[in-house]
Amino acid sequence: QVKLVESGGGVVQPERSLRLSCAASGFTFSKYALHWVRQAPDKGLEWVAIISYDGSIKYYADAVKGRFTLSRDNSRDTLYLQMHSLRAEDTAIYYCTRESTSGSGSNVVYYGMDVWGQGTTVTVSS
Amino acid sequence: DIVLTQTPLSLSVTPGQPASISCKSSQSLLHRDGKTHLYWYMQKPGQSPQLLIHEVSNRFSGVPDRFSGSGSGTDFTLKISRVEAADAGIYFCMQSIQLRTFGQGTKVEIK
Repeated sequence: QVKLVESGGGVVQPERSLRLSCAASGFTFSKYALHWVRQAPDKGLEWVAIISYDGSIKYYADAVKGRFTLSRDNSRDTLYLQMHSLRAEDTAIYYCTRESTSGSGSNVVYYGMDVWGQGTTVTVSS
Repeated sequence: DIVLTQTPLSLSVTPGQPASISCKSSQSLLHRDGKTHLYWYMQKPGQSPQLLIHEVSNRFSGVPDRFSGSGSGTDFTLKISRVEAADAGIYFCMQSIQLRTFGQGTKVEIK
C-alpha cells in the first residue's frame, strides 16, 4: 500500500525551529519528486516546496524561502522539512505529497500530486 | 506568479443535480511540451486532499465517471454530472507549469 506518514508537528514559539519528517512506504521512494503543501486553519491549500527525486533540485515558495530547507534520505525513504524562524502565519497542517509521472517523451503523463499523507499540525504561538 | 481564481466559492446542490466549478488562470497553462498542467483535487471534511483529474480532463484511478474536466489555455471547468452525498467537500484546482499554485477552493454542500 502506497503511503506517506508525516510526523514532527507540534506547538512552537515564534522564531523557534521545528523539523518535520515524512516516511514513505509501498513505492520506490528514490524515483519520485516530493512536495510539502500546507493548509492554515479553515483556509485553502498553499504549496510550500518541492525536491527532486535525487535531492539535487529544490524550489521554495516565497513565503518560506530562506527559512525552510528541504532534504531527503533515499536510504531511509524519508523526506524532511527543516523550519527556522517560525512565524504565526506558518501555523498550518503540513502535508507531504508525491509528484507522479509515467512514460517519457511525447507519451509522458503528468498525474500531479497523486499521493498525500494525513498531515502533521504545526502551531506557532507564544 | 500564476494566480488561479475559482468560482463560485461555495455551491449548494441537490442530490442528482449537476454542479460546475470554474478555474481561471492568470497565464496560459499550456506548456511547450503540448501538455496543459491543470489538476483538480477534492478534500472531504477532516481528510487529506485527493486527486480527481490530471492534465485538464483525465480522471485519476478510481474516480467516478460523473466527474469530468474540460478547458484549455486559461479557462477550465470541473463538472459533476449528478451530485451524490459523498461529493461534499472542497474542490481545488492546481497548476504546475510554474512551480505550483492552488485556487482558493470551492466548498460544495449537499442540500
